[in-house]
Amino acid sequence: ELKVEQNPLFLSMQEGKNYTIYCNYSTTSDRLYWYRQDPGKSLESLFVLLSNGAVKQEGRLMASLDTKARLSTLHITAAGHDLSATYFCAVDTYQGAQKLVFGQGTRLTINP
Amino acid sequence: GAGVSQTPSNKVTEKGKYVELRCDPISGHTALYWYRQSLGQGPEFLIYFQGTGAADDSGLPNDRFFAVRPEGSVSTLKIQRTERGDSAVYLCASSYGGLDTQYFGPGTRLTVL
Repeated sequence: ELKVEQNPLFLSMQEGKNYTIYCNYSTTSDRLYWYRQDPGKSLESLFVLLSNGAVKQEGRLMASLDTKARLSTLHITAAGHDLSATYFCAVDTYQGAQKLVFGQGTRLTINP
Repeated sequence: GAGVSQTPSNKVTEKGKYVELRCDPISGHTALYWYRQSLGQGPEFLIYFQGTGAADDSGLPNDRFFAVRPEGSVSTLKIQRTERGDSAVYLCASSYGGLDTQYFGPGTRLTVL
């Protein structure tokens, strides 16, 4: 059974500093997704990583994938209030259907 | 363009009642998914439709849960004899299928009293 684990689960950020969220998964998969969820809202797609070594960047967020280590990272540069949200990684099992298995989520807040 | 829409946004019901949750996918998307998200957790897969047929319903927790998509567009998730443990946010997502990114709707928050 595919398991997806994120850490940390909570991250209190200081404005302007850099942080990394880790996403580990238990079985082989070449497709990993990052989503953002604001409180009371649905999930917004951030990145799709489709191959080993894939790196994608959007603004102050950068995601990478190492399929051999079964690890993806989401790097946050210069944290700010606009990035406060919960971030989920999800892995595609794709056994005839694109069933996403999600991590528990990492809740990011800004330390006042 | 219009995204995935779900109705109602909130549903409060009593234990033992029947509920229906509706999902209207993005126009042209052939694949439709239902997930359930409990408080503080990531979404969990329930069922996947490709066109009108349920291609994978392995995530449905038991036979009280059923979903249909009769014309290959709108889908309805049906829950019979609701239990307090069914309380969660039910999310619908759609895509063009295959490896295409899933786009999520705003969800229906179901509360079973």
